[in-house]
Amino acid sequence: DAGVIQSPRHEVTEMGQEVTLRCKPISGHDYLFWYRQTMMRGLELLIYFNNNVPIDDSGMPEDRFSAKMPNASFSTLKIQPSEPRDSAVYFCASSLSSRISPLHFGNGTRLTVT
Amino acid sequence: DAKTTQPTSMDCAEGRAANLPCNHSTISGNEYVYWYRQIHSQGPQYIIHGLKNNETNEMASLIITEDRKSSTLILPHATLRDTAVYYCIVRVVRESGSARQLTFGSGTQLTVLP
Repeated sequence: DAGVIQSPRHEVTEMGQEVTLRCKPISGHDYLFWYRQTMMRGLELLIYFNNNVPIDDSGMPEDRFSAKMPNASFSTLKIQPSEPRDSAVYFCASSLSSRISPLHFGNGTRLTVT
Repeated sequence: DAKTTQPTSMDCAEGRAANLPCNHSTISGNEYVYWYRQIHSQGPQYIIHGLKNNETNEMASLIITEDRKSSTLILPHATLRDTAVYYCIVRVVRESGSARQLTFGSGTQLTVLP
């Protein structure tokens, strides 16, 4: 089991550019989550999907952020245009459909917007 | 979800048991206690979870008080690699279709000393 795979591991971009973060969940997992971690705010949930359908996107900071899950094995988080305050570590996690199944996290993408 | 209170930091000598406390005095009957840890530059790692009985796995033991208002995570023989931030999370578990996300607090920074 390769675990949750995120790419890229690091991303440095200039303000105003589009950024796309990618996630491959664990095979067979029905839920996929995107979190963001900063020193100031800790780990925050941005959005999560069930069977490729967005369930709760109330944590998405603004319209510049969008997330998609075109199939069960791939999800993207896009920021357009990016701003320096978007600099953070973005984590993807997945879980099984069982009510008490834990979340399994990837190792994150460290985004720096200059 | 019920709020949790954890000490900001703790030290433990290598080879000794690390006992990490968590207070969740407002926990309700359908809420589980989950423990995660985050080693520097990695994603959060699931450790263990429980409802009201004590639980043990290959990583740790979870002791939940009879009134469920607090719990303790025990790492029986701490090693330097156990240095991490440990998160205690209380999570509502309902039927399918309900919220599945985890809400992270600030956690406890455990430092294992040689």
